[in-house]
Amino acid sequence: DQQVKQNSPSLSVQEGRISILNCDYTNSMFDYFLWYKKYPAEGPTFLISISSIKDKNEDGRFTVFLNKSAKHLSLHIVPSQPGDSAVYFCAAGDSGGSNYKLTFGKGTLLTVNP
Amino acid sequence: EPEVTQTPSHQVTQMGQEVILRCVPISNHLYFYWYRQILGQKVEFLVSFYNNEISEKSEIFDDQFSVERPDGSNFTLKIRSTKLEDSAMYFCASAVVSETQYFGPGTRLLVL
Repeated sequence: DQQVKQNSPSLSVQEGRISILNCDYTNSMFDYFLWYKKYPAEGPTFLISISSIKDKNEDGRFTVFLNKSAKHLSLHIVPSQPGDSAVYFCAAGDSGGSNYKLTFGKGTLLTVNP
Repeated sequence: EPEVTQTPSHQVTQMGQEVILRCVPISNHLYFYWYRQILGQKVEFLVSFYNNEISEKSEIFDDQFSVERPDGSNFTLKIRSTKLEDSAMYFCASAVVSETQYFGPGTRLLVL
């Protein structure tokens, strides 16, 4: 089941530069997308979300872009900080009577180097 | 800031034993979920719960699993007869409206 794909298992970025994390999905019923950040031995922490009626959502250093035609979303972190080093999960939900059960990607390990 | 809590943080059990994982969702939330993550794999949906009943469950959530909201604050996941393959991190999540789910820190379950 690869409905949500994060094809880069890891990404390394210099502090202060932009981090771009990518996510692709195959299920066109998905209409809500979220990014979570996870540290080892902790639960996923909600970062930012976007619904399918938008193509961009911004919250401080975090911006999520959605390209529905390409079934692609990305998370931009600017500027990147060492504390951003974590695993980032893309998740997608389908509002069609399923109470938004989330389907997760495998995650991308972001390392921000000082 | 309110957060989802889970107990215990770690649980070791023998195969065939029953375990109960506990969660206290954020107090004004209405939607409740259990997910699990087997080591090295994706976070997987198990079950959603709304208005005191299961609203959806995955194929993983077979007859060995059950959920309950015994009072106004707790939300539990019971595994009746654990199997080796049930070893995983189990995450509880809750939401005010169903879009944005907030996750607890997880319970690491090890079945021997």
